[in-house]
Amino acid sequence: AQTVTQSQPEMSVQEAETVTLSCTYDTSESDYYLFWYKQPPSRQMILVIRQEAYKQQNATENRFSVNFQKAAKSFSLKISDSQLGDAAMYFCAYRSATGGGATNKLIFGTGTLLAVQP
Amino acid sequence: NAGVTQTPKFRILKIGQSMTLQCTQDMNHNYMYWYRQDPGMGLKLIYYSVGAGITDKGEVPNGYNVSRSTTEDFPLRLELAAPSQTSVYFCASSYQALYNEQFFGPGTRLTVL
Repeated sequence: AQTVTQSQPEMSVQEAETVTLSCTYDTSESDYYLFWYKQPPSRQMILVIRQEAYKQQNATENRFSVNFQKAAKSFSLKISDSQLGDAAMYFCAYRSATGGGATNKLIFGTGTLLAVQP
Repeated sequence: NAGVTQTPKFRILKIGQSMTLQCTQDMNHNYMYWYRQDPGMGLKLIYYSVGAGITDKGEVPNGYNVSRSTTEDFPLRLELAAPSQTSVYFCASSYQALYNEQFFGPGTRLTVL
């Protein structure tokens, strides 16, 4: 079974600085998708960025980018120019790219709580 | 588009009571999911549906039931509520699956006392 591990329960960053959140995963599959979700205090789950395992190029969305290391099964999120609105819980998630139904469920890590200091 | 809506936002139940958590999406998605999020944890899949009339169990289905009579609605039924079901419940939907993004509702915070 696939697992997702986030080893940093909490992180803190100064406004305008850069922070990197870590995520590792375990799978025997070769084709899958990885996601970072943001959950602010409102509880709404918001997709931040996604990566297809077959793509070598790291995904980027404005100030958010990932460092995807497939052989190491690592998927870290870098937030540049941190803003107060980035303060939230961040979840790393895995989804199989094969099969259907429950095999396409999202498997979540336990989350990293990011604080942004003004 | 309202996206995925859930009602109620909050609910307190007594042990042994029953209730239905409502979920509706207006994006014509055929896949829908119910997750629960326990304190300090990520989300875990309870049930999912690949289309109207088709549902199946996820990782943690015990104590819950679902139905999917329409594309839009995917209610989650709790029978005989137990303290272990105290959690935040999220409904999500997506086009088919695979690459497509899952869109989440705002969640229902349920407390069983």
